[in-house]
Amino acid sequence: AQTVTQSQPEMSVQEAETVTLSCTYDTSESNYYLFWYKQPPSRQMILVIRQEAYKQQNATENRFSVNFQKAAKSFSLKISDSQLGDTAMYFCACPYSGAGSYQLTFGKGTKLSVIP
Amino acid sequence: DSGVTQTPKHLITATGQRVTLRCSPRSGDLSVYWYQQSLDQGLQFLIQYYNGEERAKGNILERFSAQQFPDLHSELNLSSLELGDSALYFCASSVSPTTGDIQYFGAGTRLSVL
Repeated sequence: AQTVTQSQPEMSVQEAETVTLSCTYDTSESNYYLFWYKQPPSRQMILVIRQEAYKQQNATENRFSVNFQKAAKSFSLKISDSQLGDTAMYFCACPYSGAGSYQLTFGKGTKLSVIP
Repeated sequence: DSGVTQTPKHLITATGQRVTLRCSPRSGDLSVYWYQQSLDQGLQFLIQYYNGEERAKGNILERFSAQQFPDLHSELNLSSLELGDSALYFCASSVSPTTGDIQYFGAGTRLSVL
């Protein structure tokens, strides 16, 4: 079974600074993707970034980037130039897929507060 | 806006009752997923449908059931409700049940069982 661990329940960062959120996972799949989702106070789950495990290059989406260490099963999210709108819960997710099935296993989340 | 529509946004009911949560997936998406988010358990996968067919079951209680209709909308039925069923229920959709497909989430239904 997949397990996803986010070891930082809460973090804070000054506006315009950089912050890194940690995630480790365990999967038996050979070809997989990893995801970071954001849940602001509105409760909506929003995809932040996706990483393909077989790609060496770390994914980047504007101010968001990942540090993917496949051997260590580590998938951290770096937010640069933090903005007030980045205040949210952040969830790391690892998919599990079977014959025609597909589900996400989520970590417990990290609550990020951006301080003005 | 993700394109996934969930109704109602809020639901307040009493123990022992039955409720139905509804989800309309994004246009073109054939796969629908249900997740439960509670304070103590986090986000947990409940069940997945693809083009009307059940494909995977997670931590779904026997008191809960779901289905996906020919027009691809889905309903999650919760019966004999208990206080512990109070949670945020999310529906998500994707084009297909393929690893790597992005799941787009609805805004959720907040269920309060009193």
